[in-house]
Parts: sequence; C-alpha cells; structure tokens
Amino acid sequence: AQSVTQPDIHITVSEGASLELRCNYSYGATPYLFWYVQSPGQGLQLLLKYFSGDTLVQGIKGFEAEFKRSQSSFNLRKPSVHWSDAAEYFCAVGAQLSDTDKLIFGTGTRLQVFP
Amino acid sequence: GAVVSQHPSRVICKSGTSVKIECRSLDFQATTMFWYRQFPKQSLMLMATSNEGSKATYEQGVEKDKFLINHASLTLSTLTVTSAHPEDSSFYICSARRVSYNEQFFGPGTRLTVL
Repeated sequence: AQSVTQPDIHITVSEGASLELRCNYSYGATPYLFWYVQSPGQGLQLLLKYFSGDTLVQGIKGFEAEFKRSQSSFNLRKPSVHWSDAAEYFCAVGAQLSDTDKLIFGTGTRLQVFP
Repeated sequence: GAVVSQHPSRVICKSGTSVKIECRSLDFQATTMFWYRQFPKQSLMLMATSNEGSKATYEQGVEKDKFLINHASLTLSTLTVTSAHPEDSSFYICSARRVSYNEQFFGPGTRLTVL
C-alpha cells in the first residue's frame, strides 16, 4: 500500500541551528515527492518537489531535500533555521503525471523554533 | 501565477443548515480540483477529486450526498456541506491541478464551525 511516514511529530530547534525533517515513503512506482509548509490557519505552500534528475533538490526559503531511493526517503534540510520557519511541515507523494492522481500526505511534523 | 482562492475563509452555521465553499483558480485552468479535510493538528485527508464537467470521485467513507461537489468550469469548484452537524466542523482545503503540470496548488482553506 502507498504511504508516507513522518516519524517526528514535533521537533524543537534553536534559531540558527540546522534542521532535518524525516520522510519515508512506500510506493509501487517511481514517486513524485513534495514538501509543503503550513502556517497556523493557512493553506499549504510548496517548498520543493522531486520528479527526476538530480536527487538533491533546492527549494524556497533556503530548504533542500535529498531523494534516496535505496532508503525510500526524502528528508528535508535547512542549514540555519529562522524563527519564521516555525510551522507544520508535510511530506507528500504522488504518481507520475496524471490529471487525476492524488497526493498522499504524511502526518506532518510540527517545528518549533526557540530564540 | 498559480493562485487558488477559497471563499469564505471562515463560516459559522447552525446545525441542519447547508454551507457552500468555493474554490477558484485565479490565473490558470484546472481540469482537476481536490477537496481535503483537516482536523486540528492532523494531516490532510482527501475527500474527493473533482473533474470539470463530470461527477466527482469520492474517497472511501466520504458521504457523497452530504458533501456535494460541483466543478462547473475550469476555474471553479464548489463543496456544499448539506445538513451540517457539529462533527462536520473542520478546516476544508481545496487544491487545483494545473493542466499539464504535475503539481497541485492549494487554497488558503475554509474553517467551518457548526453550532
């Protein structure tokens, strides 16, 4: 069955520290992978996505993620966290290009940033 | 580009009434729109996939007669919660899939509170 696992429900870091949010997926075919961020009471904003090619993907706001097929992982990283990064982060997996295929979301990781 | 709006952003209604939520793609055409439901501190759960000009496809466990979806044009989909009850209170988020793009663009969400 297709699934996305985000093992960390809640992470707390100090401002300026590095960050890694974990994401593991189970998918029968080559997946399309996404990371979204959600601020309280808001919709989702796309941080980055992986379709093919270079397995290290750069996104907005200084985030990057690395696709590791052997580990079925797509971990999100940022070298230096800012207080404004505090939010909920969702990893999602989708099928190859199709107008009707849906996204499967992980349960999310809530990031708290201390000054 | 690729902006999705939702209206209203918040709605409070009495139990037994119906509520309509609109999802619009403002600067692109979307043959497919998705409706999600999000409970507090939880992930997004896909409710249904809406295709322009055809009937929506509902996920297992979602009552199609209760959550009416209409996708009458390439830029507008509506979700009507009929005979709302307090347990329908939730955050409803729509997304729109841009034609020929393997990416969903999310609206800001609608918070429904049923008294």
